[in-house]
Amino acid sequence: DAGVTQSPTHLIKTRGQQVTLRCSPKSGHDTVSWYQQALGQGPQFIFQYYEEEERQRGNFPDRFSGHQFPNYSSELNVNALLLGDSALYLCASRGGAPDTQYFGPGTRLTVL
Amino acid sequence: GEDVEQSLFLSVREGDSSVINCTYTDSSSTYLYWYKQEPGAGLQLLTYIFSNMDMKQDQRLTVLLNKKDKHLSLRIADTQTGDSAIYFCAGRLFVFGPGTRLSVLP
Repeated sequence: DAGVTQSPTHLIKTRGQQVTLRCSPKSGHDTVSWYQQALGQGPQFIFQYYEEEERQRGNFPDRFSGHQFPNYSSELNVNALLLGDSALYLCASRGGAPDTQYFGPGTRLTVL
Repeated sequence: GEDVEQSLFLSVREGDSSVINCTYTDSSSTYLYWYKQEPGAGLQLLTYIFSNMDMKQDQRLTVLLNKKDKHLSLRIADTQTGDSAIYFCAGRLFVFGPGTRLSVLP
């Protein structure tokens, strides 16, 4: 049973560019959440997708957007990249009982 | 919003027990969670406790929950060098503490 997968593993972009990160949830999971983890900090919740709609959102600007596909996979898009967007971006999927989240390995984004 | 606090560092000797503490503000969490993160990796779910429980034991891991004080702890028995990592507690699935960096000395 494959766990949560994310791609790419690493990414380097320059300020002002746009980036798309991808996530496939654990088999049987239908809810995907995205987190940003800056160096030395805990993960910060960006948003959650369920049934192809954004259900909850953290305190992130609308430069951060997402999408969920019918197969439950998800994308995170970040526009107009800033240096401060450099972080590890984590995807987590959730489903069934008990109500737990499983995380992918993350995508390390570096903005130069 | 919810706030989750943890001490940032803990250092123990191999073979000793480790106790990592966490306090939270939101008492509506159905479950409370402990995650482990090794360098450069994602978060691994270690264990969780249902909010109506006081204690849960899972092999070397013991979770204690004091609902009155909103305090959660994770005890690792017989700590090994492979336990060196950052440990996060989380409530309501979306709010994580800053993480406790556990260093295990040989």
